[in-house]
Amino acid sequence: SFVLTQPPSVSVAPGMTAIITCGGNNLERKGVHWYQQKPGHAPVLVIYSHSDRPSGIPERFSGSTSGNTATLTISRAEAGDEADYSCQVWDSSRDQVVFGGGTKLTVL
Amino acid sequence: HLQLQESGPGLVKPSGTLSLTCSVSGDSVGSTSSYWTWVRRPPGKGLDWIASIYYTGSTHSNPSLDNRVTMSVDESKNQFSLRLMSVTAADAAVYYCARRRPFKYYFDIWGQGILITVSS
Repeated sequence: SFVLTQPPSVSVAPGMTAIITCGGNNLERKGVHWYQQKPGHAPVLVIYSHSDRPSGIPERFSGSTSGNTATLTISRAEAGDEADYSCQVWDSSRDQVVFGGGTKLTVL
Repeated sequence: HLQLQESGPGLVKPSGTLSLTCSVSGDSVGSTSSYWTWVRRPPGKGLDWIASIYYTGSTHSNPSLDNRVTMSVDESKNQFSLRLMSVTAADAAVYYCARRRPFKYYFDIWGQGILITVSS
């Protein structure tokens, strides 16, 4: 089955740029989506289709995909950005949704 | 605007069946513009897709669940439901209902989630 690999944790200083990666075979040819989930809350879509941002999501959040790696970039990181971030794709060969294992972002 | 709300027992016995319902407001569960989905998050683990259903009843589910899953749509109550059979401790999780649009393979609307514990 299709596998998405994320680092378990990433740390960033306030005001700096956080980069969270998601690895998978030929990701560039799939649509990669990103979710933010804070403790006790439901996931929130922050990036869809590699780089599009839903309304209401700050411009500080951006996404890109090249080859086998998708990247979520959070510029000017804030304490409120501390959360778990998960990538997701649709595996069309098996008609199933696949999530990455999630990355815990710490802003310190 | 569209809102989703999960409901269910909270506690399920091992080998029993978990039944959850998602109430839809702000749209019809019979809408052609939504696929209705269940996702869960076990403690300390990542998000796990369970299954999705279209208003026609067409369903696809995570093969890792070994055919233990059924989903249904109830247009009269504007709800959709999940049944997960033969539960084990590994099925303990926060369960979320969510929506995706046809040909859009991401989930833009989520319920708040419901914690399910598996214990005798």
